[in-house]
Amino acid sequence: KQEVTQIPAALSVPEGENLVLNCSFTDSAIYNLQWFRQDPGKGLTSLLLIQSSQREQTSGRLNASLDKSSGRSTLYIAASQPGDSATYLCAVNDGNKLVFGAGTILRVKS
Amino acid sequence: NAGVTQTPKFRILKIGQSMTLQCAQDMNHNYMYWYRQDPGMGLKLIYYSVGAGITDKGEVPNGYNVSRSTTEDFPLRLELAAPSQTSVYFCASSYPKTGVPSYNEQFFGPGTRLTVL
Repeated sequence: KQEVTQIPAALSVPEGENLVLNCSFTDSAIYNLQWFRQDPGKGLTSLLLIQSSQREQTSGRLNASLDKSSGRSTLYIAASQPGDSATYLCAVNDGNKLVFGAGTILRVKS
Repeated sequence: NAGVTQTPKFRILKIGQSMTLQCAQDMNHNYMYWYRQDPGMGLKLIYYSVGAGITDKGEVPNGYNVSRSTTEDFPLRLELAAPSQTSVYFCASSYPKTGVPSYNEQFFGPGTRLTVL
């Protein structure tokens, strides 16, 4: 059974800092991995999708990497801003469905 | 496009009551999904559908039913509400590209917050 773990569970950083969020999964037979952002009381916004054949994807200040063989992905946020404060979820697609981690709660202090 | 819409936004049920959570998408997506999110947890898949008339169970289907009579709509039915079904429910949709199964980006609705007392 696929299990997804996210570390750390919560993170508080000063504005401007670069940071890394970690995601690990137990079964490397995945089709893709998606990173989402969730604001309090809101739905999920897709940030990046990395296909199983890709190593990384970039969007603005966000960079996500994927190492399928070791079952790991990282989300790198450059020059963090208070507006980046949210919960970040990673999910792996192991067929028709996504398996989610519990998320990392990020707070960027101004 | 409105994307994925869900109604209602909030609902309080008494134990044993029934209700239907509505989900609709206007992106002509063939895949649709229902997830639940408990406090401090990730999302867990309840049911999904790969097209009209086709549904399948996810990780936590007990206590729920679904139907998919059209491409656009995917309602979730709770028959006998229990306190354990207190959660936030999210509907999602996707359109996997033919021949590219690794590209299947899911788009989510705003959620329905359900409390069972």
